[in-house]
Amino acid sequence: EAGVTQFPSHSVIEKGQTVTLRCDPISGHDNLYWYRRVMGKEIKFLLHFVKESKQDESGMPNNRFLAERTGGTYSTLKVQPAELEDSGVYFCASSQSLFFGNTIYFGEGSWLTVV
Amino acid sequence: SQQGEEDPQALSIQEGENATMNCSYKTSINNLQWYRQNSGRGLVHLILIRSNEREKHSGRLRVTLDTSKKSSSLLITASRAADTASYFCATELSGGYNKLIFGAGTRLAVHP
Repeated sequence: EAGVTQFPSHSVIEKGQTVTLRCDPISGHDNLYWYRRVMGKEIKFLLHFVKESKQDESGMPNNRFLAERTGGTYSTLKVQPAELEDSGVYFCASSQSLFFGNTIYFGEGSWLTVV
Repeated sequence: SQQGEEDPQALSIQEGENATMNCSYKTSINNLQWYRQNSGRGLVHLILIRSNEREKHSGRLRVTLDTSKKSSSLLITASRAADTASYFCATELSGGYNKLIFGAGTRLAVHP
């Protein structure tokens, strides 16, 4: 069974450009999460989808970030326009249900460098 | 503010030694989880300990949880060079819909 897959694995873009990150959760997982780790700091929660609905987007840093999950399958995270401080690794994760202690599976991350 | 904070920030040991990392948190939790991230790679789930558990083992890993002190420790016994990675604790808050709050991590270097 395929795990959580993320694309691209690495991206280098110039300040002001747009980047779209994609996450394919494990098949059948209703919950999809985005996290990011910026400059070796802590891993921060960005948002949580339950199917196609945004359950919690309290961690989204500003309106330059837009996340979608059309149809409740894969998700995209768009950064427009990108700033230098957006550099870091963006992790996607998924889980099957909302029972406490449910295993959350992480992808390999999308490593973004804004120059 | 961070929910989980790891201590130490960095740890350097020799192969065969034990490594202990600590994590403190601030609010009530359902469980606490430890993850590993190898350089340039994704997060790997190591172990989960529920709020009503005090100790858990998995291979060379031993995790303790003290909810009265809001702290946890991860012990890696007989460390290997392959254990070199960053280790993160993550707490799942009560009523948190599986939302994990991570700390800044401990960078572990195991030297041959």
